[in-house]
Amino acid sequence: EIVLTQSPGTLSLSPGERATLSCRASQSVSSSYLAWYQQKPGQAPRLLIYGASSRATGIPDRFSGSGSGTDFTLTISRLEPEDFAVYYCQQYGSSPRAITFGPGTKVDIK
Amino acid sequence: EVQLVESGGGLVQPGGSLRLSCAASGFTFSSYEMNWVRQAPGKGLEWVSYISSSGSTIYYADSVKGRFTISRDNAKNSLYLQMNSLRAEDTAVYYCARDKGVYYDSSGPGNYGMDVWGQGTTVTVSS
Repeated sequence: EIVLTQSPGTLSLSPGERATLSCRASQSVSSSYLAWYQQKPGQAPRLLIYGASSRATGIPDRFSGSGSGTDFTLTISRLEPEDFAVYYCQQYGSSPRAITFGPGTKVDIK
Repeated sequence: EVQLVESGGGLVQPGGSLRLSCAASGFTFSSYEMNWVRQAPGKGLEWVSYISSSGSTIYYADSVKGRFTISRDNAKNSLYLQMNSLRAEDTAVYYCARDKGVYYDSSGPGNYGMDVWGQGTTVTVSS
């Protein structure tokens, strides 16, 4: 089973700053099966990025994803007040299909 | 409006059973794969189960295998999760999530991710 590790656990930044979130897999993952989600308190998760780098419908272009193999990154170019939330990476396994989430990175206001 | 609405959560004793439902609207339910994802209080997301659009392919997380059963009724636009032999560690908010499915590009197949989520239903397992 592939284990996803996210770092840092918490990222304290100010609005307007750049956020760089890391997701590392215990073994190589196809980038086509790597997604990122945002979750705010009391809300369901929201899909941000699929295929490691493609933005989901309606996601602002300040969100971008990159990476391959075992190392993936979510970047928020300039933090808006509504971006302070928890972010999860997720991968789709195969044979048999298993889905795993990382433990999350909380982006909070400095 | 595309929407998923979960129901059926509640308080149940250890060893008990509960059946969750997820009602879909605003899209062609029978065309989409579906998942259940849960979140224990103060914790991260944990995938629970997957079902293909026809219901012919099903997968479970090891933590629920043999105790939980996922099913769907495409005529009723509904997804279900039958939970038996419940344990304290099953306490969580349970979300149903639409899987947008597989795409193909120059690098081969990929997955669009879980693009629609319900608001969640809370399951508490306690005596």
